[in-house]
Amino acid sequence: GAVVSQHPSRVICKSGTSVKIECRSLDFQATTMFWYRQFPKKSLMLMATSNEGSKATYEQGVEKDKFLINHASLTLSTLTVTSAHPEDSSFYICSARGVAGQGAYEQYFGPGTRLTVT
Amino acid sequence: AQSVTQPDIHITVSEGASLELRCNYSYGATPYLFWYVQSPGQGLQLLLKYFSGDTLVQGIKGFEAEFKRSQSSFNLRKPSVHWSDAAEYFCAVGARGSGGSNYKLTFGKGTLLTVNP
Repeated sequence: GAVVSQHPSRVICKSGTSVKIECRSLDFQATTMFWYRQFPKKSLMLMATSNEGSKATYEQGVEKDKFLINHASLTLSTLTVTSAHPEDSSFYICSARGVAGQGAYEQYFGPGTRLTVT
Repeated sequence: AQSVTQPDIHITVSEGASLELRCNYSYGATPYLFWYVQSPGQGLQLLLKYFSGDTLVQGIKGFEAEFKRSQSSFNLRKPSVHWSDAAEYFCAVGARGSGGSNYKLTFGKGTLLTVNP
């Protein structure tokens, strides 16, 4: 149980275009999902917290107009990188918060999406 | 705000040797503590977690960790390392952010484990 998928696993796009990354909880409903960014040989940096049916909460320094997050259902959150530039190239990982009880303090991670902007 | 320190960036051990990865945290109360493992180009897999109770927790793949409140530590151990354990290991603390903001995980910078045959 508690499986999270991401699509696509890899994407290459041209500078100036937008790209959408999907994060799905496959066997549970996730009212809260998180988006992280990981640079090579670096730790995970939380970008934003996505709550179903409401606006995402962005961490300090993250441009919300550039990284659009939509959490329209209990099993799907999307991250759209708008007007991508080479510096946006990174590994993006989503996670979904578990359900009630102790599970609410756990996060289940997707396999990640490698974005390359040329 | 909470923080996590993993003092060792890179550790190399021989297969069959014991392993200890260090993790120290900073948080005003008892946090929720986690260890994750990440293989290259992959997402994170949960090894074990501590919420409360017994301070020695057992995880998957033969790993264990001990919560020591007096030292603010949550070190990960394995008695005999296998070549397949080579990966990046992340310690994380789960807590509410400053100002009562949402619960979130804060990660250490990771320790890369290399296993020599």
